[in-house]
Amino acid sequence: QQQVKQSPQSLIVQKGGISIINCAYENTAFDYFPWYQQFPGKGPALLIAIRPDVSEKKEGRFTISFNKSAKQFSLHIMDSQPGDSATYFCAASKRNRDDKIIFGKGTRLHILP
Amino acid sequence: KAGVTQTPRYLIKTRGQQVTLSCSPISGHRSVSWYQQTPGQGLQFLFEYFSETQRNKGNFPGRFSGRQFSNSRSEMNVSTLELGDSALYLCASSLGAHQETQYFGPGTRLLVL
Repeated sequence: QQQVKQSPQSLIVQKGGISIINCAYENTAFDYFPWYQQFPGKGPALLIAIRPDVSEKKEGRFTISFNKSAKQFSLHIMDSQPGDSATYFCAASKRNRDDKIIFGKGTRLHILP
Repeated sequence: KAGVTQTPRYLIKTRGQQVTLSCSPISGHRSVSWYQQTPGQGLQFLFEYFSETQRNKGNFPGRFSGRQFSNSRSEMNVSTLELGDSALYLCASSLGAHQETQYFGPGTRLLVL
């Protein structure tokens, strides 16, 4: 019940295309869903996050879509650029985090120039 | 404000040895978490410290231990190293015990021969 399942493991997208990464969770107590971006040789950095009271959050080319009934959320990268090539992790935790953050296993995204 | 720093950045050890990794959180942050990152397994939670107390612990053997000092700096120790301990060890800090957003350091890459 503590898992966050992330797919796909790897993704190749043409420059200018839309990259979509999906995550599913089981614990309905989760109420904070961040996405982290990691470049080679660096630690993960917070990209965007959403709470279940909204179905979508957009920041620039990055959008999180959230489906509470299906217990799924996804990251959409519009107009994907080669500089977006990185590993992306979804995560889930509870408000006033009294337990650890649960991370998905990551998606390696490669944008073709 | 300086980010999370981790030392050393790279380390080579042999089986059976022990190793100590260090993490300095962002100034003012009092919570420190440790993760093990390996290809295909994503981010595996090791433990979390807040105000020198361990708050949460992941499913790792007792060879993995940690501590936090009064200045919030943290160390993790791995004794009797095994080949499978080769990984990137990430430290993340957050402002308080119930802050959802974590800020990651660049990690320490450990190679066990």
